[in-house]
Amino acid sequence: AQTVTQSQPEMSVQEAETVTLSCTYDTSENNYYLFWYKQPPSRQMILVIRQEAYKQQNATENRFSVNFQKAAKSFSLKISDSQLGDTAMYFCAFRTSGTYKYIFGTGTRLKVLA
Amino acid sequence: DAMVIQNPRYQVTQFGKPVTLSCSQTLNHNVMYWYQQKSSQAPKLLFHYYDKDFNNEADTPDNFQSRRPNTSFCFLDIRSPGLGDAAMYLCATSRVFAETQYFGPGTRLLVL
Repeated sequence: AQTVTQSQPEMSVQEAETVTLSCTYDTSENNYYLFWYKQPPSRQMILVIRQEAYKQQNATENRFSVNFQKAAKSFSLKISDSQLGDTAMYFCAFRTSGTYKYIFGTGTRLKVLA
Repeated sequence: DAMVIQNPRYQVTQFGKPVTLSCSQTLNHNVMYWYQQKSSQAPKLLFHYYDKDFNNEADTPDNFQSRRPNTSFCFLDIRSPGLGDAAMYLCATSRVFAETQYFGPGTRLLVL
């Protein structure tokens, strides 16, 4: 069975500091996609960053970057220069190529402290 | 802005009283999904439509139904809500299966 594990239910970080959220997954597939979604309190879930498994280069989007370790099945999210608006629940998700179904982790609640 | 809209944002219903949640999208995406998300849990896929083709997840209770009258709208009907159905219901869309899903803000359902 394919699973996604986020081992940190809650984290906090000081404004302007860097924080890393961990995610591991389990699959026997070789072609797949990994995602980090952000869900702010009472607001909609939005895509933060996406990584294709066939790409060795880690994806980056402004202050957000990932550390994708395919052999270790690890996909962590690094947030640099944390801002108060980064306070949210962060979900790691996985989808195999050619399918529609996302497998979500249980989320990490991140609080950025002023 | 192209977007996914869910109405209402909050819905209160009584135990056993049918309720309908709605989702609309201006993205012109082919696929629409409904997820159930309980507190502190991951979203759980209930079903999806690819155009008019409906696909129910194997573990979705019969109490949950869906309608998609046109490309833009999709409805979630809960025929006889139980206390365990209280949750956030998320609608999402994607252009085709293989592309990123875009989520609406969700409808929080409370069952009294």
